[in-house]
Order: sequence, then C-alpha cells, then structure tokens
Amino acid sequence: KAGVTQTPRYLIKTRGQQVTLSCSPISGHRSVSWYQQTPGQGLQFLFEYFSETQRNKGNFPGRFSGRQFSNSRSEMNVSTLELGDSALYLCASREGGMGEAFFGQGTRLTVV
Amino acid sequence: GESVGLHLPTLSVQEGDNSIINCAYSNSASDYFIWYKQESGKGPQFIIDIRSNMDKRQGQRVTVLLNKTVKHLSLQIAATQPGDSAVYFCAEKGNNDMRFGAGTRLTVKP
Repeated sequence: KAGVTQTPRYLIKTRGQQVTLSCSPISGHRSVSWYQQTPGQGLQFLFEYFSETQRNKGNFPGRFSGRQFSNSRSEMNVSTLELGDSALYLCASREGGMGEAFFGQGTRLTVV
Repeated sequence: GESVGLHLPTLSVQEGDNSIINCAYSNSASDYFIWYKQESGKGPQFIIDIRSNMDKRQGQRVTVLLNKTVKHLSLQIAATQPGDSAVYFCAEKGNNDMRFGAGTRLTVKP
C-alpha cells in the first residue's frame, strides 16, 4: 500500500495570505488527523476527520480549518497567515478510531 | 488541563548501551499509548503501542512499560544503535484524539 502523501512538501507564503495543504491517506483509512509541529510547541493536534465529518478539534483559532472528501482525502486551510504559523504540518491516517496512526512526511510552511 | 509530557528533553547514550525514555501523562481516561520515532526531515514513525489493560509490551529491541498508578510510560531500547538517534514522542489517546508529548532527542555516541 502507498503511504500517507502530503502535498506540497514545502511552501513559502507571506503574511495575510491563505494556504491549503493536502493529505491523501493510506487506502482504506477513513480517519485523517492534522498536527502542527514547531520546535517550541512540539506536536499539537489540530483536528481529526472521519468519514467526512470533523470528529475532534484542538485549541487552534478559527483561521485553521479543514475538510475531508468522500475518498478520505483531506485538506487543511489556514487563512490570514501569521509569522507564527510557520511550522511543519503533519497529517496522519488511521483505519478507524484506535490503532496506529501513519504519518506523512509533512508540509513545511514558512510565512515571511 | 490534561497533558502529556516528557521528563527529559535530551538523552545521550553510548552505542550498545540500553536507553530509557520516560513520559508522564495526566489524563487518567487515556486508554491507549504509542511511542513514535521521528528522524530529521521525516514524519513520526510508529515504534510500539500499549493498551491500558497491559503494563508491559515487548517488540524488537524495544519494550514499553506502563504504570497507571503514577501515570508513567517508558520506552526501553536495548543495545542502542546509531540509527536509533532521533526524537522520540509518547502519545496518549483518550476521548478520540491523540495527544503528543514534547519529545526527547536521543543521541547515540559511537
């Protein structure tokens, strides 16, 4: 099976812009979670989608949003980018509620 | 609030020695725990997991210990190798979402 694929791998945006990141989970996995990873805050949970519905949400402002499509692919969007949004954004997929989460290699977002 | 945290941010060991990485958690409702390894430029990679109805689980060169009384989780790596150098995260799952600790950087000295 192909692994979790995240695109693009690298992005540079300017403050105030918006960005959309994409995640294709492992075939058959219905759960997709998004995480923000920064040196200072570590891995922080953004949200989880399961069967096109947001199942859980972390403590991030409303500028961070996401969605999941019927084929389980997921996108996350960040609007009105701030310098502090610079981070590695990781996506992880799971078959269902429990079990191992498989991570993609992440999208490195730099806001200048 | 509930949190998952690590006792030490860095750990340096000699090649061939055993490594122990610790993690404290505070959500008593967490019922599933995972250790992940993250190498530079890569996403976290699953190492081993344990459910709350167990106190020990062994894999290849790795053992996870769970002490629910003190809400402590540890990862033991036997005969540590240079390829084990990475950041190790513990994660807990409770109430559906998975929360990660801050990470411990393991450095293996030749």
